[in-house]
Amino acid sequence: GQNIDQPTEMTATEGAIVQINCTYQTSGFNGLFWYQQHAGEAPTFLSYNVLDGLEEKGRFSSFLSRSKGYSYLLLKELQMKDSASYLCAVRPKTGANNLFFGTGTRLTVIP
Amino acid sequence: EAGVAQSPRYKIIEKRQSVAFWCNPISGHATLYWYQQILGQGPKLLIQFQNNGVVDDSQLPKDRFSAERLKGVDSTLKIQPAKLEDSAVYLCASSLGRYSNQPQHFGDGTRLSIL
Repeated sequence: GQNIDQPTEMTATEGAIVQINCTYQTSGFNGLFWYQQHAGEAPTFLSYNVLDGLEEKGRFSSFLSRSKGYSYLLLKELQMKDSASYLCAVRPKTGANNLFFGTGTRLTVIP
Repeated sequence: EAGVAQSPRYKIIEKRQSVAFWCNPISGHATLYWYQQILGQGPKLLIQFQNNGVVDDSQLPKDRFSAERLKGVDSTLKIQPAKLEDSAVYLCASSLGRYSNQPQHFGDGTRLSIL
């Protein structure tokens, strides 16, 4: 089966840096996605990693270590609008090429 | 480009009634997904279509849930009869293709409440 773990909740201060971790155990590996989901809204794509290392995109960066089954999402210069749930999703190496989502990390940014 | 369209936005029904949701994916996206997201959890895949064929429906409760994508574009998801545990947001997503590294794009979902 597939198992994806993320912290349930995190709180951080406006202007600070926060790291949201994700560990996974899946049947093979074919990529990891991070999505942002504001309350009552659709998940929106943030980043994609398939090779080890850091992918940077503006204030958001995502890191992957395939040997450790580990990823993190790094948010810099936090803004109040970053308060949302952050979903880690893994694509196992199966024929259907589906995504399996973690339960998400609810981030609250405080002034 | 227009995003994934879903309707209705909200639906309230009593248990044992039936309900249907509609999804129109992004133009040109061959792959369409239906997810169930229970409050406080991540989305769980119910069914995946590639054009008008089913690729994966292993997690679809087939005794009560059905879905179709007859012309390879729009899709409908039906629940009949509904149970209390079906209360959730039903998300539709689309992507260029099954093996594409392009991300899945989600609609705003239908929030279903069962009384």
